[in-house]
Amino acid sequence: TQLLEQSPQFLSIQEGENLTVYCNSSSVFSSLQWYRQEPGEGPVLLVTVVTGGEVKKLKRLTFQFGDARKDSSLHITAAQTGDTGLYLCAGVPGTNAGKSTFGDGTTLTVKP
Amino acid sequence: DVKVTQSSRYLVKRTGEKVFLECVQDMDHENMFWYRQDPGLGLRLIYFSYDVKMKEKGDIPEGYSVSREKKERFSLILESASTNQTSMYLCASSFGDRRYYGYTFGSGTRLTVV
Repeated sequence: TQLLEQSPQFLSIQEGENLTVYCNSSSVFSSLQWYRQEPGEGPVLLVTVVTGGEVKKLKRLTFQFGDARKDSSLHITAAQTGDTGLYLCAGVPGTNAGKSTFGDGTTLTVKP
Repeated sequence: DVKVTQSSRYLVKRTGEKVFLECVQDMDHENMFWYRQDPGLGLRLIYFSYDVKMKEKGDIPEGYSVSREKKERFSLILESASTNQTSMYLCASSFGDRRYYGYTFGSGTRLTVV
């Protein structure tokens, strides 16, 4: 089983601060996805990164896939209270038939 | 707006009951999945299906079964509910090659077994 470790597990910051969340594995993935989940709801896909070294930006969110395709980071600039939620990364294995692996998540709280 | 709809948001069942959780997607997705989510354990895959009438075991299939008679519907069955199956159950679907297309999740069913 391929494992994904997310850090930190919990993060509490003030509005306007910057933050970075990490997703690490010893396994190589063909792609990696980031999701945000709000309480009582299902996760919502934010981005898919496919190429090693790829950087994608979604407004104030910047996603990076490691060169070796084993790790990824999510950076949020000038966090807002609406960014509060559980952030999950999911690694997709080399074949479509393989099972995706989810990290345990980072719970982010942005205080006003 | 594309959707994955789970039939119940909250469900309370008694130990030993047979429980059906229904999931319907309107996106013509080939792939459908059932996960459970528990604090400290993350999302764990129960069963998945790549086509109608086809099913594959996930990481924790014991105590569960599934049915996919139509492309848009994927049902999870708890054969005899037990208290350790109290959890948030999430259904998801995806289109084609999952390397490029992520999951669309439903809103979840919070099941309590008493």
